[in-house]
Amino acid sequence: SAVISQKPSRDICQRGTSLTIQCQVDSQVTMMFWYRQQPGQSLTLIATANQGSEATYESGFVIDKFPISRPNLTFSTLTVSNMSPEDSSIYLCSVEEGYNEQFFGPGTRLTVL
Amino acid sequence: AQSVTQLGSHVSVSEGALVLLRCNYSSSVPPYLFWYVQYPNQGLQLLLKYTTGATLVKGINGFEAEFKKSETSFHLTKPSAHMSDAAEYFCAVSDSGNQFYFGTGTSLTVIP
Repeated sequence: SAVISQKPSRDICQRGTSLTIQCQVDSQVTMMFWYRQQPGQSLTLIATANQGSEATYESGFVIDKFPISRPNLTFSTLTVSNMSPEDSSIYLCSVEEGYNEQFFGPGTRLTVL
Repeated sequence: AQSVTQLGSHVSVSEGALVLLRCNYSSSVPPYLFWYVQYPNQGLQLLLKYTTGATLVKGINGFEAEFKKSETSFHLTKPSAHMSDAAEYFCAVSDSGNQFYFGTGTSLTVIP
């Protein structure tokens, strides 16, 4: 399975600032996904990122708040913009491998003060 | 639309006892079903999956799950709990596309 790394692993940020999270995969993958896991809750899909096209956002998530880049088949970034305490979550990227199977990165733990 | 319900947000078992984590799903199409485990401060790791074929699926670390279409269930079991099994467990369902729907998770505590 793909090996996925994320940077930073955790961060503490001030309200109103932005944080860019990086996701690196050790193999080329077509589809990458970004999820949010709020404290004590399950995973919610933010968007799907395909190389060479605009990310597809799920209901409740917008590009201005969560801009995503996908410059190549092994890398993606998610920016959390104009942060508020409600954005405190774990952000995970995942990739699809094989048939309908997703593998996850270790996550980025974000705390917004 | 797909959805997943995990009964019991917290489950405690004694070391060596049976582990049973419940998962029910709803799906308008034949589902693909998954169990993931999340250890503290780590990402999600795939335990096992059901796509087609045999309804009893064996995964890593001695876990297995049985797909029961009539009950729309995919419960996770392990005959004998180990201390290292303490973690958060997520059931997920997917349709033939790429959309995954996760349950709210079950936190497993193993009592020595």
